[in-house]
Amino acid sequence: DIQMTQSPSSLSASVGDRVTFTCRASQSISSYLNWYQQKPGKAPKLLIYAASSLQSGVPSRFSGSGSGTDFTLTISSLQPEDFATYYCQQSYSTPRTFGQGTKLEIK
Amino acid sequence: EVQLVESGGGLVQPGRSLRLSCTASGFTFGDYPMSWVRQAPGKGLKWLGSIGSAALGGTTEYAASVKGRFAISRDDSKSIAYLQMNSLNTEDTAVYYCTREVVLVPAAIGWFDPWGQGTLVTVAS
Repeated sequence: DIQMTQSPSSLSASVGDRVTFTCRASQSISSYLNWYQQKPGKAPKLLIYAASSLQSGVPSRFSGSGSGTDFTLTISSLQPEDFATYYCQQSYSTPRTFGQGTKLEIK
Repeated sequence: EVQLVESGGGLVQPGRSLRLSCTASGFTFGDYPMSWVRQAPGKGLKWLGSIGSAALGGTTEYAASVKGRFAISRDDSKSIAYLQMNSLNTEDTAVYYCTREVVLVPAAIGWFDPWGQGTLVTVAS
């Protein structure tokens, strides 16, 4: 199975900050990497697919990059509604696997 | 509007079975693979398994941790996916989500969108 490791596990930031999350795969997954946002009590929501493609309706302050084993999700200017947990997920092979998540908290 | 709605969750005793349903609307259900993902209280997301579209043979795949105990099926005429869960134990307590896998051809890059609202399964005596 491909292991997905996210760092950091949690992050404190302020509105307006630029933040970056990292996701590392245990083997190369090309660009088969997706990012989701989950708010408490809600279902995950797709933000980025295929490493860098922005899902329709997602604000342009979100961006993704990377290929192979190392990937990043960047929020260019944090908004109050962005405080949530973020998960990466690989679709290179089955079983599909998720990172453990990064919780973004208000500083 | 593309929508998925899970149902069938609740309180169940250890060792018993439960079947969850996922009712889809707003898209051609039969054209898409469907997956089930669960989230234990305070934990992350765990993929349980998937079922392919009928055009691709409706093949099922499972996480090793549930293979042989859980089974996924689909009824394309009703736009419903099912998750049959047998021999439940307390570690199966979680919110269960169904999700559609969108696959970009020819690279076969896939992603999960949308997700249902989830249904809570509590396994306790």
